[in-house]
Amino acid sequence: DGGITQSPKYLFRKEGQNVTLSCEQNLNHDAMYWYRQDPGQGLRLIYYSQIVNDFQKGDIAEGYSVSREKKESFPLTVTSAQKNPTAFYLCASIDRGGTEAFFGQGTRLTVV
Amino acid sequence: GNSVTQMEGPVTLSEEAFLTINCTYTATGYPSLFWYVQYPGEGLQLLLKATKADDKGSNKGFEATYRKETTSFHLEKGSVQVSDSAVYFCALSAYRPGANFGNEKLTFGTGTRLTIIP
Repeated sequence: DGGITQSPKYLFRKEGQNVTLSCEQNLNHDAMYWYRQDPGQGLRLIYYSQIVNDFQKGDIAEGYSVSREKKESFPLTVTSAQKNPTAFYLCASIDRGGTEAFFGQGTRLTVV
Repeated sequence: GNSVTQMEGPVTLSEEAFLTINCTYTATGYPSLFWYVQYPGEGLQLLLKATKADDKGSNKGFEATYRKETTSFHLEKGSVQVSDSAVYFCALSAYRPGANFGNEKLTFGTGTRLTIIP
């Protein structure tokens, strides 16, 4: 079955540590996105990539980094520069025509 | 740029009531429209979609019709259940032929929290 997979489901980060969230899709979608969701809030765009080896900053990119070396994969690194990283992170992919858009199940990141 | 305006919540209804959640949009190109549902602690699930004007998306008793003349994609359900309690997001993606990569980034409304009481 085609789909989009995020891992891990839960992640704990110590102060000053970088952590990487995984997002993999086998839908052959060109575009992939990372969103952040805080409790009771909507979605805020962190980064997106519409083609391999290219990505763009979203509305809240500071303290995050991404790479897009393969079409299937779009990992997000939460760096120590992100001062308030505790949140729910969602990855999405969309096809070139913009008619299919799916989300992973999310990663809940907590700073300990 | 593209935008989605969604009915503010929260919305509280009694079981078996009729549901409407309004969604209007502005977009360039040829937008596809989506409704997603998010249950507590989970990711977003695609509920339904419509990819061209006058299309009706439907799933699990929910329906939404893509109305180009009113730039709307309102979500409706004839008789809601307690299990429909969730947050609902309206979204669009606008395809522009000839653009560098073809599709625009996915644009979301703010979400509407729906609570159904028995």
